[in-house]
Amino acid sequence: DTAVSQTPKYLVTQMGNDKSIKCEQNLGHDTMYWYKQDSKKFLKIMFSYNNKELIINETVPNRFSPKSPDKAHLNLHINSLELGDSAVYFCASSQVPDSYGYTFGSGTRLTVV
Amino acid sequence: ELKVEQNPLFLSMQEGKNYTIYCNYSTTSDRLYWYRQDPGKSLESLFVLLSNGAVKQEGRLMASLDTKARLSTLHITAAVHDLSATYFCAVGYGGSQGNLIFGKGTKLSVKP
Repeated sequence: DTAVSQTPKYLVTQMGNDKSIKCEQNLGHDTMYWYKQDSKKFLKIMFSYNNKELIINETVPNRFSPKSPDKAHLNLHINSLELGDSAVYFCASSQVPDSYGYTFGSGTRLTVV
Repeated sequence: ELKVEQNPLFLSMQEGKNYTIYCNYSTTSDRLYWYRQDPGKSLESLFVLLSNGAVKQEGRLMASLDTKARLSTLHITAAVHDLSATYFCAVGYGGSQGNLIFGKGTKLSVKP
């Protein structure tokens, strides 16, 4: 049973479109995250939610909007996609206290053409 | 702002050799993590280091943490080809619910 699952795994779309990525975790963790990995493999936090409440919102264009309907789900909606949004987006979860590290999903490779 | 620096960024080694990857960070933190990423794959947790002097070992990999020096090391002993991957260190900040700041990663290639 997959611990942190993301869908879709691949997403190819045109500039200007709106798309969503879904994430679910079955670990019972309290906190979920979205990370972006760019073409140089650099990983950067975008958002963090704890029990459906936004905790961290790094400098991310407001075209990106996370939504957490419950603590097991954290979705990412992106409006008006741009070429520079092309990246791999990883969902992750963790539990407080954080003795086991963060568990990452398999990633969604987004390509904007 | 917390900065995390890894070096080297690229490492080509021969099988059987030893080497160390270094991770320096700029401000106080009590949580440090090492991850492995294979091409096109997710991040796999290798080690979680939560206190000064912590040392953990798994197979040919050993990680340590010196919070006073703000330094963690990942030591590779007698490298084998299967260890070829990108290794990231990540430092926690902002409390236990805070986020991880990642280093740029070290791409390790182990050649026969």
